[in-house]
Amino acid sequence: QKEVEQNSGPLSVPEGAIASLNCTYSDRGSQSFFWYRQYSGKSPELIMSIYSNGDKEDGRFTAQLNKASQYVSLLIRDSQPSDSATYLCAVIPPIQGAQKLVFGQGTRLTINP
Amino acid sequence: DGGITQSPKYLFRKEGQNVTLSCEQNLNHDAMYWYRQDPGQGLRLIYYSQIVNDFQKGDIAEGYSVSREKKESFPLTVTSAQKNPTAFYLCASSPFGGGLGYTFGSGTRLTVV
Repeated sequence: QKEVEQNSGPLSVPEGAIASLNCTYSDRGSQSFFWYRQYSGKSPELIMSIYSNGDKEDGRFTAQLNKASQYVSLLIRDSQPSDSATYLCAVIPPIQGAQKLVFGQGTRLTINP
Repeated sequence: DGGITQSPKYLFRKEGQNVTLSCEQNLNHDAMYWYRQDPGQGLRLIYYSQIVNDFQKGDIAEGYSVSREKKESFPLTVTSAQKNPTAFYLCASSPFGGGLGYTFGSGTRLTVV
Protein backbone atom coordinates (compact mmCIF):
# COMPACT_ATOMS: atom_id res chain seq x y z
CA GLN A 1 0.00 0.00 0.00
CA LYS A 2 1.34 3.43 -0.94
CA GLU A 3 1.86 5.83 1.94
CA VAL A 4 -0.13 8.59 0.24
CA GLU A 5 -2.72 7.83 -2.43
CA GLN A 6 -4.54 10.11 -4.80
CA ASN A 7 -6.70 9.51 -7.82
CA SER A 8 -4.49 10.57 -10.73
CA GLY A 9 -7.47 11.86 -12.72
CA PRO A 10 -7.86 13.72 -14.92
CA LEU A 11 -10.67 15.41 -13.03
CA SER A 12 -12.73 17.72 -15.20
CA VAL A 13 -14.89 20.41 -13.58
CA PRO A 14 -16.92 23.20 -15.21
CA GLU A 15 -15.93 26.78 -14.46
CA GLY A 16 -17.67 28.13 -11.37
CA ALA A 17 -18.32 24.70 -9.87
CA ILE A 18 -16.69 23.14 -6.80
CA ALA A 19 -13.67 20.92 -7.43
CA SER A 20 -13.12 18.19 -4.84
CA LEU A 21 -9.73 16.50 -4.53
CA ASN A 22 -9.15 13.56 -2.23
CA CYS A 23 -6.17 11.92 -0.58
CA THR A 24 -5.73 8.99 1.80
CA TYR A 25 -2.68 8.12 3.85
CA SER A 26 -1.51 4.94 5.51
CA ASP A 27 0.34 6.05 8.67
CA ARG A 28 -2.28 6.68 11.36
CA GLY A 29 0.04 8.82 13.47
CA SER A 30 0.72 11.38 10.74
CA GLN A 31 0.37 14.94 12.03
CA SER A 32 1.01 17.38 9.21
CA PHE A 33 -0.77 17.55 5.85
CA PHE A 34 -0.23 19.77 2.85
CA TRP A 35 -1.67 20.53 -0.55
CA TYR A 36 0.62 21.74 -3.32
CA ARG A 37 -0.39 23.04 -6.74
CA GLN A 38 1.90 22.31 -9.68
CA TYR A 39 1.44 23.86 -13.09
CA SER A 40 2.82 21.93 -16.04
CA GLY A 41 6.61 22.23 -16.21
CA LYS A 42 6.78 24.24 -12.97
CA SER A 43 7.69 23.45 -9.37
CA PRO A 44 5.10 22.74 -6.65
CA GLU A 45 3.63 25.67 -4.74
CA LEU A 46 2.22 25.28 -1.23
CA ILE A 47 -1.43 26.33 -1.11
CA MET A 48 -2.78 24.80 2.10
CA SER A 49 -1.56 23.16 5.27
CA ILE A 50 -3.72 21.49 7.92
CA TYR A 51 -2.77 19.90 11.21
CA SER A 52 -5.99 19.17 13.14
CA ASN A 53 -9.30 17.50 12.37
CA GLY A 54 -11.92 19.63 10.68
CA ASP A 55 -11.93 22.29 8.00
CA LYS A 56 -9.49 25.08 7.24
CA GLU A 57 -10.52 27.78 4.81
CA ASP A 58 -8.34 30.20 2.85
CA GLY A 59 -10.13 32.19 0.19
CA ARG A 60 -11.65 29.80 -2.34
CA PHE A 61 -9.74 26.85 -0.89
CA THR A 62 -10.88 24.60 1.97
CA ALA A 63 -8.80 21.74 3.34
CA GLN A 64 -10.59 19.03 5.28
CA LEU A 65 -8.90 16.51 7.56
CA ASN A 66 -10.36 13.37 9.12
CA LYS A 67 -7.64 11.52 11.03
CA ALA A 68 -9.95 8.67 12.06
CA SER A 69 -10.58 7.87 8.39
CA GLN A 70 -7.02 8.86 7.38
CA TYR A 71 -8.43 11.14 4.76
CA VAL A 72 -7.62 14.67 3.67
CA SER A 73 -9.36 16.63 0.95
CA LEU A 74 -9.16 19.94 -0.85
CA LEU A 75 -12.20 21.84 -2.08
CA ILE A 76 -11.88 24.64 -4.59
CA ARG A 77 -14.96 26.84 -4.81
CA ASP A 78 -15.90 28.93 -7.83
CA SER A 79 -13.32 27.07 -9.94
CA GLN A 80 -11.43 29.15 -12.48
CA PRO A 81 -9.50 28.05 -15.59
CA SER A 82 -6.35 29.22 -13.79
CA ASP A 83 -6.96 26.46 -11.23
CA SER A 84 -6.15 23.89 -13.92
CA ALA A 85 -3.05 22.15 -12.58
CA THR A 86 -1.86 19.01 -10.82
CA TYR A 87 -2.58 18.99 -7.10
CA LEU A 88 -0.19 17.08 -4.87
CA CYS A 89 -1.13 15.84 -1.43
CA ALA A 90 1.79 15.53 1.00
CA VAL A 91 2.01 14.06 4.48
CA ILE A 92 4.65 13.93 7.20
CA PRO A 93 4.47 10.38 8.57
CA PRO A 94 5.40 9.63 12.20
CA ILE A 95 8.98 8.55 11.62
CA GLN A 96 11.49 9.22 14.36
CA GLY A 97 14.03 11.86 13.52
CA ALA A 98 13.70 13.92 10.37
CA GLN A 99 10.26 14.97 9.29
CA LYS A 100 10.15 14.17 5.59
CA LEU A 101 7.28 14.99 3.29
CA VAL A 102 5.83 12.01 1.42
CA PHE A 103 3.92 12.95 -1.71
CA GLY A 104 1.04 11.34 -3.51
CA GLN A 105 1.22 11.00 -7.29
CA GLY A 106 -1.02 14.01 -7.80
CA THR A 107 -4.45 14.63 -9.29
CA ARG A 108 -4.63 16.47 -12.61
CA LEU A 109 -7.48 18.98 -12.53
CA THR A 110 -8.93 20.66 -15.61
CA ILE A 111 -11.43 23.52 -15.29
CA ASN A 112 -13.55 23.85 -18.42
CA PRO A 113 -14.71 27.36 -19.40
CA ASP B 1 13.71 38.47 -1.92
CA GLY B 2 14.28 35.18 -0.13
CA GLY B 3 14.04 32.00 -2.12
CA ILE B 4 15.68 28.94 -3.58
CA THR B 5 17.68 29.10 -6.77
CA GLN B 6 18.31 26.03 -8.87
CA SER B 7 20.64 25.98 -11.83
CA PRO B 8 20.82 25.23 -14.61
CA LYS B 9 17.18 25.15 -15.71
CA TYR B 10 17.96 22.59 -18.43
CA LEU B 11 20.86 20.15 -18.47
CA PHE B 12 21.93 17.56 -20.98
CA ARG B 13 24.10 14.62 -19.98
CA LYS B 14 26.00 12.23 -22.14
CA GLU B 15 26.16 8.57 -21.29
CA GLY B 16 28.79 7.86 -18.62
CA GLN B 17 29.09 11.48 -17.55
CA ASN B 18 28.66 12.91 -14.06
CA VAL B 19 26.73 16.16 -13.75
CA THR B 20 26.10 18.46 -10.79
CA LEU B 21 22.88 20.34 -10.12
CA SER B 22 23.12 23.46 -8.02
CA CYS B 23 20.72 24.49 -5.24
CA GLU B 24 21.17 27.67 -3.18
CA GLN B 25 18.75 29.16 -0.62
CA ASN B 26 18.75 32.44 1.29
CA LEU B 27 15.81 31.63 3.53
CA ASN B 28 18.04 30.67 6.44
CA HIS B 29 16.39 27.25 6.42
CA ASP B 30 18.15 24.43 8.22
CA ALA B 31 16.88 21.52 6.13
CA MET B 32 17.27 20.93 2.42
CA TYR B 33 15.96 18.18 0.17
CA TRP B 34 16.32 16.78 -3.33
CA TYR B 35 13.37 15.18 -5.11
CA ARG B 36 13.02 13.57 -8.48
CA GLN B 37 9.81 13.74 -10.52
CA ASP B 38 9.13 11.55 -13.56
CA PRO B 39 6.32 12.39 -16.02
CA GLY B 40 2.88 11.87 -14.48
CA GLN B 41 4.42 10.84 -11.18
CA GLY B 42 4.70 12.27 -7.72
CA LEU B 43 7.92 13.36 -6.06
CA ARG B 44 10.43 10.82 -4.80
CA LEU B 45 13.04 11.75 -2.20
CA ILE B 46 16.68 11.32 -3.22
CA TYR B 47 18.66 12.86 -0.32
CA TYR B 48 18.02 15.26 2.52
CA SER B 49 20.08 17.24 4.99
CA GLN B 50 18.96 18.73 8.28
CA ILE B 51 22.23 20.41 9.27
CA VAL B 52 25.54 21.36 7.72
CA ASN B 53 27.95 18.48 7.12
CA ASP B 54 25.22 15.88 7.58
CA PHE B 55 22.86 14.25 5.09
CA GLN B 56 20.81 11.07 4.76
CA LYS B 57 19.68 8.89 1.89
CA GLY B 58 16.09 9.06 0.77
CA ASP B 59 14.11 6.43 -1.06
CA ILE B 60 16.05 6.48 -4.34
CA ALA B 61 19.64 7.52 -3.47
CA GLU B 62 21.45 5.00 -5.68
CA GLY B 63 23.46 6.73 -8.42
CA TYR B 64 23.33 10.13 -6.70
CA SER B 65 25.61 11.97 -4.27
CA VAL B 66 25.32 15.21 -2.30
CA SER B 67 27.31 17.49 -0.02
CA ARG B 68 26.29 20.08 2.56
CA GLU B 69 29.35 22.20 3.31
CA LYS B 70 27.37 25.42 3.76
CA LYS B 71 23.91 26.04 5.15
CA GLU B 72 22.88 27.81 1.96
CA SER B 73 24.01 25.18 -0.53
CA PHE B 74 23.05 21.56 -1.26
CA PRO B 75 24.39 20.42 -4.66
CA LEU B 76 23.33 17.11 -6.18
CA THR B 77 25.63 15.05 -8.40
CA VAL B 78 24.04 12.60 -10.80
CA THR B 79 26.69 9.95 -11.40
CA SER B 80 27.16 7.56 -14.27
CA ALA B 81 25.83 4.84 -11.98
CA GLN B 82 22.34 6.33 -12.30
CA LYS B 83 21.04 4.41 -15.29
CA ASN B 84 17.87 6.37 -15.93
CA PRO B 85 18.60 9.97 -14.94
CA THR B 86 16.20 11.75 -17.30
CA ALA B 87 13.76 13.52 -14.97
CA PHE B 88 12.74 16.83 -13.38
CA TYR B 89 14.84 17.49 -10.27
CA LEU B 90 13.46 19.65 -7.49
CA CYS B 91 15.33 21.11 -4.56
CA ALA B 92 13.42 22.21 -1.47
CA SER B 93 14.14 23.69 1.91
CA SER B 94 12.34 24.06 5.22
CA PRO B 95 12.91 25.28 8.74
CA PHE B 96 14.21 22.48 10.94
CA GLY B 97 11.67 19.66 11.12
CA GLY B 98 9.72 20.49 7.97
CA GLY B 99 6.44 20.74 9.83
CA LEU B 100 5.53 23.99 8.11
CA GLY B 101 5.97 22.53 4.64
CA TYR B 102 8.69 22.99 2.09
CA THR B 103 9.63 25.79 -0.28
CA PHE B 104 10.69 24.53 -3.71
CA GLY B 105 13.14 25.85 -6.26
CA SER B 106 12.14 26.16 -9.90
CA GLY B 107 13.69 22.82 -10.84
CA THR B 108 16.26 21.43 -13.25
CA ARG B 109 15.19 19.30 -16.19
CA LEU B 110 17.89 16.73 -16.94
CA THR B 111 17.98 14.84 -20.21
CA VAL B 112 20.36 12.10 -21.30
CA VAL B 113 21.55 12.50 -24.88
